Amino acid sequence: DGGITQSPKYLFRKEGQNVTLSCEQNLNHDAMYWYRQDPGQGLRLIYYSQIVNDFQKGDIAEGYSVSREKKESFPLTVTSAQKNPTAFYLCASSIFPPGQGNSPLHFGNGTRLTVT
Amino acid sequence: AQKITQTQPGMFVQEKEAVTLDCTYDTSDPSYGLFWYKQPSSGEMIFLIYQGSYDQQNATEGRYSLNFQKARKSANLVISASQLGDSAMYFCAKKTGNTPLVFGKGTRLSVIA
Repeated sequence: DGGITQSPKYLFRKEGQNVTLSCEQNLNHDAMYWYRQDPGQGLRLIYYSQIVNDFQKGDIAEGYSVSREKKESFPLTVTSAQKNPTAFYLCASSIFPPGQGNSPLHFGNGTRLTVT
Repeated sequence: AQKITQTQPGMFVQEKEAVTLDCTYDTSDPSYGLFWYKQPSSGEMIFLIYQGSYDQQNATEGRYSLNFQKARKSANLVISASQLGDSAMYFCAKKTGNTPLVFGKGTRLSVIA
């Protein structure tokens, strides 16, 4: 079955360490996204990519970095510059990029990151 | 920035009853899309229903329907015949132009037996 795989489900890191969250999709979707969710909050966009080797900052990109070397993969690195990294991170994809219509997002199951 | 407002942090509904979850939004663009997602306690986001701003009829998907009032800039989700499995967070989201989806803060729905 096609879908989006995020790993690991839970991740623990010490403050000051960079950490990379994995996101893989086999839906052949063009666009991929990273959102952050804090308790009692909606989803906030970190980065998105419309095509391989291209990505754009979202509303809260500071302290994060991404790469899109393959269509299937869009890893997110949480750097030590991110002030409050503890959160639930959701990866998503859409069949078309945002500029080509209103296709819905398909989400992975998320990674819960805890930094102490 | 686009703003999506969900004014009900939490809602309770009796099993088998209908419930309406509110969503209002800002927009200056005549063309946009509205989405509703369900997030169970396990965390995944499940797409429920979509309404385009130019759609003439309100969207329906099984027990889900969208009460779209364009002039009021509202897109309320109606869930009919509530089931215990409907207990979850529900998010309204909007897409305009080239920008990705923007989400509201969500409403937690609890279905009571």
